[in-house]
Amino acid sequence: EVQLVESGGGVVHPGGSLRLSCAASGFTFDDYVMHWVRQVPGKGLEWVSLIAGVGGVISYEDSVKGRFTISRDNSKTTLYLQMNSLRPEDSALYYCVRDKYSYGPRYYFDHWGQGTLVTVPS
Amino acid sequence: QSALTQPASVSGSPGQSITISCTGTSSDIGAYTYVSWYQQHPGKAPKLIMFDVTTRPSGVSSRFSGSRSGTTASLTISGLQAEDEAVYYCNSYTRQGTLIFGGGTKLTVL
Repeated sequence: EVQLVESGGGVVHPGGSLRLSCAASGFTFDDYVMHWVRQVPGKGLEWVSLIAGVGGVISYEDSVKGRFTISRDNSKTTLYLQMNSLRPEDSALYYCVRDKYSYGPRYYFDHWGQGTLVTVPS
Repeated sequence: QSALTQPASVSGSPGQSITISCTGTSSDIGAYTYVSWYQQHPGKAPKLIMFDVTTRPSGVSSRFSGSRSGTTASLTISGLQAEDEAVYYCNSYTRQGTLIFGGGTKLTVL
């Protein structure tokens, strides 16, 4: 069974940093693209970033480019999101998501974690 | 890039059919068949219910179907059931190599 468990969320002041982690199990981790998707409670979904299993393909949503860094440690089957220069508009539930495939551009969000909440007070 | 455009809400009675539209541009839906749909019930994580515009994942009811015309994708649910009440999101790959969601459509089963 695919399991994705996020951690690292919390309250951080504007301009601060957080590192989110996602521990993955139940599948061959480096075979799949992984994503971060966020959602303000009660609002819509927003894709944040993706990273290929191997081969280095990385992409970011424009508003986080230059501030967030996605990475993965395939030996630890863990996905990360380093979040710097945080803003109030970054406040959201951050989901770790496994793609349906090993590489793009057919990217589909196949398995979702339960999310970790990030709050940046204004 | 702005979100794909979906109606905020749709409704239908049990047994009826409804269609949710998702309008993009020539840089996303109009450029690729990499469109997907997600169903989200309150307090739950989203669930993939359609990909490659028209393909249903294993286990998803055949009452769900997808289509695309130009820069608009659509999700149709036939034979509405109470359990279909949820928020539905579309998503597309873009020419910029990013992914974009629609704003979400709340389906109410009357």
